Amino acid sequence: EPEVTQTPSHQVTQMGQEVILRCVPISNHLYFYWYRQILGQKVEFLVSFYNNEISEKSEIFDDRFSVERPDGSNFTLKIRSTKLEDSAMYFCASNLGAGTGELFFGEGSRLTVL
Amino acid sequence: KQEVTQIPAALSVPEGENLVLNCSFTDSAIYNLQWFRQDPGKGLTSLLLIQSSQREQTSGRLNASLDKSSGRSTLYIAASQPGDSATYLCAVRPDGTASKLTFGTGTRLQVTL
Repeated sequence: EPEVTQTPSHQVTQMGQEVILRCVPISNHLYFYWYRQILGQKVEFLVSFYNNEISEKSEIFDDRFSVERPDGSNFTLKIRSTKLEDSAMYFCASNLGAGTGELFFGEGSRLTVL
Repeated sequence: KQEVTQIPAALSVPEGENLVLNCSFTDSAIYNLQWFRQDPGKGLTSLLLIQSSQREQTSGRLNASLDKSSGRSTLYIAASQPGDSATYLCAVRPDGTASKLTFGTGTRLQVTL
C-alpha cells in the first residue's frame, strides 16, 4: 500500500541551527502539507503546497520556515535559526486532490532543539 | 475560528465492549470530517472520511456519523480489542480551503483484557 515516508525519524539540533526535514509523498498525489504536534498538544497545520507553490500557510509558518519540492518525489521543510519552541513532531501529508480530501500522513520526524 | 473538542479525553474499557467517541466542532461550515488513529510516538492513520453531504461511513468494526448542523460526529467501535488501544483524533476541513485540517485533542482509548 502506498505510503508517505519521512526522514529523519528523529533529529536533534542546537538552537540557531538550520534543519531540513524530508518527505516522499504518495507518488500520484498533488497536494502536500506539513503539520506539527508539540508534545501533549493538538496537531496543527503549518503549510499546504500545490503546483510548486504555497497555497496556504498558518501564522506558525513564519519567515524562518520554507518548503520546497526539489524534484518529482521529495518535499522538504526547512527551518532556519531554530528555536526551543520549534521542538515538536513534524508530519508530512499528501492527498490526491482538494476534492477528494482524504489526507494521508507519514510517521513523523521528531525535532528536538537544545 | 473553528474549535474541535473531543470527549472523553481518555477511556478505558474491557475487551469486547462497544464504545462511542465524540467529536464536536463550533463552525458547521465544513467540507468533510476525518477520523484518525495515532499510536504513541507514531504518525496518523486515516480511519474514515465523511463528506459534509454524508451522514455516516463504515469500515469494518468502525462506524462514523456526522450531524453537520449540530456540529457533531461520533466514532463507534464495535467489539473492541486490545489492538484498538490508541489515541483517536477527529479533524475537520473547512469549506473553501485546500485541506487545512483543524484537529481535536483526541481521545486516548485503552482496551483491557
